[in-house]
Amino acid sequence: SQTIHQWPATLVQPVGSPLSLECTVEGTSNPNLYWYRQAAGRGLQLLFYSVGIGQISSEVPQNLSASRPQDRQFILSSKKLLLSDSGFYLCASTYREDTEAFFGQGTRLTVV
Amino acid sequence: AQSVSQHNHHVILSEAASLELGCNYSYGGTVNLFWYVQYPGQHLQLLLKYFSGDPLVKGIKGFEAEFIKSKFSFNLRKPSVQWSDTAEYFCAVISYNTDKLIFGTGTRLQVFP
Repeated sequence: SQTIHQWPATLVQPVGSPLSLECTVEGTSNPNLYWYRQAAGRGLQLLFYSVGIGQISSEVPQNLSASRPQDRQFILSSKKLLLSDSGFYLCASTYREDTEAFFGQGTRLTVV
Repeated sequence: AQSVSQHNHHVILSEAASLELGCNYSYGGTVNLFWYVQYPGQHLQLLLKYFSGDPLVKGIKGFEAEFIKSKFSFNLRKPSVQWSDTAEYFCAVISYNTDKLIFGTGTRLQVFP
């Protein structure tokens, strides 16, 4: 099975500061990688997903971006955080479409 | 566009009552389907999954789901709920064509003793 490492677990950042959340995967190669934001009543909102190095699909136009510089590394970034970027961010991985998703522990981001 | 709908946002039941949570998806291609559960203060846990074969799939803790392709549905059922089933339940769909994995908005289940 896969193990997803996601850090940091909590983060408090001022408005206008940059953001970088990192996610790495162990236990498989060439995974599909996903970034979600979980908010009460809205479920898991898919932000970005990637099927390979350098391949990023953006689902929601917003202040965030994603990159996949290595096969098992997925980074969520922002140049300038907004208050509305506060939330709980989850990284997930699937090996193929016929496997379940594995999740990181999540990052609680508070923008102040 | 691919989407998942969970029409029951909040369900309240007494112990031993039967449960059915609705999940409908919209996508014309081949998909795999999942139900995840999130207990209070915990992370997502896989309940069951459908990839192919028998459309009635059984998962952990007595849950089952039926895939009805003609209705684009994958409803979750349990004949008799327990207080410990109190949690939030998420339906998810992944497309074979795009590998995009999307979740519904979740159903919050409260079971009272």
